[in-house]
Amino acid sequence: EAQVTQNPRYLITVTGKKLTVTCSQNMNHEYMSWYRQDPGLGLRQIYYSMNVEVTDKGDVPEGYKVSRKEKRNFPLILESPSPNQTSLYFCASSLSTVNTEAFFGQGTRLTVV
Amino acid sequence: SQQGEEDPQALSIQEGENATMNCSYKTSINNLQWYRQNSGRGLVHLILIRSNEREKHSGRLRVTLDTSKKSSSLLITASRAADTASYFCAPGRAGSYQLTFGKGTKLSVIP
Repeated sequence: EAQVTQNPRYLITVTGKKLTVTCSQNMNHEYMSWYRQDPGLGLRQIYYSMNVEVTDKGDVPEGYKVSRKEKRNFPLILESPSPNQTSLYFCASSLSTVNTEAFFGQGTRLTVV
Repeated sequence: SQQGEEDPQALSIQEGENATMNCSYKTSINNLQWYRQNSGRGLVHLILIRSNEREKHSGRLRVTLDTSKKSSSLLITASRAADTASYFCAPGRAGSYQLTFGKGTKLSVIP
């Protein structure tokens, strides 16, 4: 089954403790991206990747890192999480850029206390 | 970034009625996509309309695109309670690597 898998689904952590949210897709998609969703602000793009070893900042990249060492994986790294990064996070992938359908993961609800 | 703005922010209708939501954008596009999000879940692709198309249908969905007005509309006919969700548009600018979304329209269909 074609899917985008994020882990974990829920995470409560403390300020400053490094964490990684994993994202994996099984569709051989080139394009992957991360979004955060906050009430009243909609979905905002954090980072995106056009292919292996090619990444770029989205609209809200501060406080986040990503890597794309393999085509299927695109982890989101929070080196020193802060409470303002409490949010619902989504990973998405698509065959190519903005011209094709994007598939979304189930979401990761992160709480930083 | 190129993002759309959905209007209205919220819409409440009775089951069986039609629901119309709109999307406006600012720059030239290659295509425009519509997505649905059930509460707290990942977005699901509904339909993609290309810049040279004016109208597209998929089941109970009808999407129109007016590139001269830089706007699109999504019509859901004969709505059902299961259509209750948020709906987002994503304008696709040629050569852009960013797929961005607005704040969405929250549709409530009352049984």
